[in-house]
Amino acid sequence: QVQLVESGGGLVKPGGSLRLTCAASGFTLSDYYMSWIRQAPGKGPECVSYISATGGSIYNADSVKGRFTIARDKAQNSLYLQMNSLRVEDTAVYYCARVNWYYDTSGYSRNFYFPFWGRGTLVTVSS
Amino acid sequence: QSVLTQPPSVSGAPGQRVTISCTGSRSNIGAGYDVHWYQHIPGIAPKLLIHGQSNRPSGVPDRFSGSKSVTSASLAISGLQAEDEADYYCQSYDSSLGGRVVFGGGTKLSVL
Repeated sequence: QVQLVESGGGLVKPGGSLRLTCAASGFTLSDYYMSWIRQAPGKGPECVSYISATGGSIYNADSVKGRFTIARDKAQNSLYLQMNSLRVEDTAVYYCARVNWYYDTSGYSRNFYFPFWGRGTLVTVSS
Repeated sequence: QSVLTQPPSVSGAPGQRVTISCTGSRSNIGAGYDVHWYQHIPGIAPKLLIHGQSNRPSGVPDRFSGSKSVTSASLAISGLQAEDEADYYCQSYDSSLGGRVVFGGGTKLSVL
């Protein structure tokens, strides 16, 4: 049974740092693309970062580029999100999600979706 | 403002059928990228309902169905039940800004 459990959220001042952890069970995390998705109050979800199975490909949304770093630990079967220089607009619930990706029938367009999610951890950036 | 546009809310009585629309553009749904749907009850992990326009993962009732048109998609829920009351989100991929996953703003379904 696939399970993802996030931790590490909390209240932090603008400019501060936090490290989120996602503990996976029921599958080997390093066999899959993994992502962090956040949802700010009253807004739709936003995929902020994902990492490929090999770790050789990493995506960061423009909104977090240069400030957030995704990583994982094979031995701990865990995914991390190091968040630096936090801003008020980073306030959100952060979810860890496993990624499925595939090419469409044309072999040109790559599609992504998220079959498994955690319950999320709340990050509040406020002075 | 979300890249994909959904109505903020829909409602229906138990047993009725409701649809939730998801409108995109030529750089996402209109470019041929697939559409996926999620159900989210606050405090619980979001759940994948539909992937690739119309495919239901194991365990999702066939009351839930999806379709796609040129630049839009729809989620239909038939035989509404009280436990269907939740937020619903569509998701696709967008080729602009170097390529990125995009979501709708969400639709709150109320079962009257």
